[in-house]
Order: sequence, then structure tokens, then C-alpha cells
Amino acid sequence: DTGVSQDPRHKITKRGQNVTFRCDPISEHNRLYWYRQTLGQGPEFLTYFQNEAQLEKSRLLSDRFSAERPKGSFSTLEIQRTEQGDSAMYLCASSSSRDRDEKLFFGSGTQLSVL
Amino acid sequence: AQSVTQLGSHVSVSEGALVLLRCNYSSSVPPYLFWYVQYPNQGLQLLLKYTSAATLVKGINGFEAEFKKSETSFHLTKPSAHMSDAAEYFCAVSGPGSFGAGTTVTVRA
Repeated sequence: DTGVSQDPRHKITKRGQNVTFRCDPISEHNRLYWYRQTLGQGPEFLTYFQNEAQLEKSRLLSDRFSAERPKGSFSTLEIQRTEQGDSAMYLCASSSSRDRDEKLFFGSGTQLSVL
Repeated sequence: AQSVTQLGSHVSVSEGALVLLRCNYSSSVPPYLFWYVQYPNQGLQLLLKYTSAATLVKGINGFEAEFKKSETSFHLTKPSAHMSDAAEYFCAVSGPGSFGAGTTVTVRA
């Protein structure tokens, strides 16, 4: 088991461009989460999937943000028409619904810089 | 709704001194509680968790935390700080959206 992996590690883009991030969870985990983290803050929940179903979305997730998990394995997070305020670390985590305490396993994140 | 509050955004300790990081929770039912650690340029790692089996929980790297229902607290301690403990620490309650703002620990030689 290689843990949760995220790609890319870093992304620099110009304002107005679209970006897409990928997350591969731990293989036996059926739950997948996306968070955003800015400097000096804890992770802020964006959305979560159980298998391929998107079960919850935060109000932070504007209509420029969309996440998919088409086959219940990897997930993508797309940000359209990026703004400078989107600059942050985007974290992915996974867990198993069989794990009653819902502990999360995190990837190393994708650092987005919008110029 | 469940939430946590971390008291103190920065803690500076001398090597060998006690580390104490404070976390208070708000929950209508007994929660599951976690401490995660984040080293520079790395993802969050689980340090320890409380799941009602025992109020004193031992985690990795010599850390432990005590669940106190009467104080709605879950403070993290380590008796003797090591330079490698310099990191950011997050308290969390079960559920996808409930992390504290984090406490940055610096360790002085």
C-alpha cells in the first residue's frame, strides 16, 4: 500500500485558467475527501465521496469548483477560471466506512499558486 | 454540529521541556477525537485518536492526550520535547469538516 497520492505536487497558473488535480486514495478505502488549507489555518472541508457518490459539499465549494470520482477509485478536483484567492494547498484524504472512528489518511497535497 | 477549538496558534518550548497543546470540543454526543501532525512540506499524519475505550490515549512519538468530558477538552502532551517535534498540530473531531486552526510548535535548543 503506497498511501494516498496526489498529482501534481505544485501547480502555478495564471488567473482565469482552469486547473485539475488528481487524487489516488488507499486502494481499499471507499471514502475520499477534498480539503483546502491556507497558511496558518487548519484544513477546510470541500467535499466528500463514498464510492462514486458525492455525498456532501461545503458552501466553500463555489460553482467554479467541481469534483468527480467516476469509478469510485481516483478522484479529480477541477477549478475553472481560477482567481488569486484560490491559491492554497489542496489536500486529499481517504478512509474506510468500515473504520468506525473515521480516521483519515492524507496525501501530501497539491500547492496551487494563481498569479 | 461538532467542532473543535485550539487555544494558542504558536507554542515555543525548550528541548526537554513539557509540550502542552490545548483543544476543546463542542459536540452534542460523545465524539471521536483526533490529533494530527503536519511536518513541513508533508501531509497530515494521525498522531492519536480517542474512541471512548480509554480516556488517556497514547500515540506515536511519545505523545499522549487525555479526554475530559467535564471540561470538553482533549489536550495533547509530551513530557520531554525533541527537536524533531517541531511541526504543526491539528485537533479534529470525527466527521469530514471539523479541524482546529492548528498550533505551530517550535523547539529551542
